[in-house]
Amino acid sequence: AQKVTQAQTEISVVEKEDVTLDCVYETRDTTYYLFWYKQPPSGELVFLIRRNSFDEQNEISGRYSWNFQKSTSSFNFTITASQVVDSAVYFCALSEANYGGATNKLIFGTGTLLAVQP
Amino acid sequence: NAGVTQTPKFRILKIGQSMTLQCTQDMNHNYMYWYRQDPGMGLKLIYYSVGAGITDKGEVPNGYNVSRSTTEDFPLRLELAAPSQTSVYFCAIQGATDTQYFGPGTRLTVL
Repeated sequence: AQKVTQAQTEISVVEKEDVTLDCVYETRDTTYYLFWYKQPPSGELVFLIRRNSFDEQNEISGRYSWNFQKSTSSFNFTITASQVVDSAVYFCALSEANYGGATNKLIFGTGTLLAVQP
Repeated sequence: NAGVTQTPKFRILKIGQSMTLQCTQDMNHNYMYWYRQDPGMGLKLIYYSVGAGITDKGEVPNGYNVSRSTTEDFPLRLELAAPSQTSVYFCAIQGATDTQYFGPGTRLTVL
């Protein structure tokens, strides 16, 4: 069965600190996708990144970076120089990768609440 | 919200009442999903659809029904509301990159 674990329930940092959000997943599939979504206090879900299981390259987007390691089944998310606007709940999610446009039912972790203090 | 509209934004129901949560997309995508998010939890899949006329159950379908008569609309029906259905409901569409984009959500309280 597929499972996503986000062991950090809440993290509090002071602005400009770096912070890493952990995500550990379980799957028997050989091909799969991993995702991160952001849920700010307003409640919407904002897509951040999708990673294919075949692509273990780390990715950087501005202050955000992602470290995918298949050997440890982890897909961690780092925010560099955090800002108050980064305060949100962050969800890691997993889906089977059915290429060709098939359904990709998402399995979500329970989320990590990040509070960035000014 | 990636072309996904959900109505209403908020609703309070009494136990036993019924209602329909609306989800409409303007992206012409075949795949649509309904999730619920309970307090302090991640989202769980209720139902999904791969196209007009085709729907299937997700992880937590009990107490809900869906239909998909058009590509644009994917309504979620609660027939006999129960307190356990108090949650935030999100509709999602799946784009060409196999990524799901979510609507703004409907916050439902059953008293």
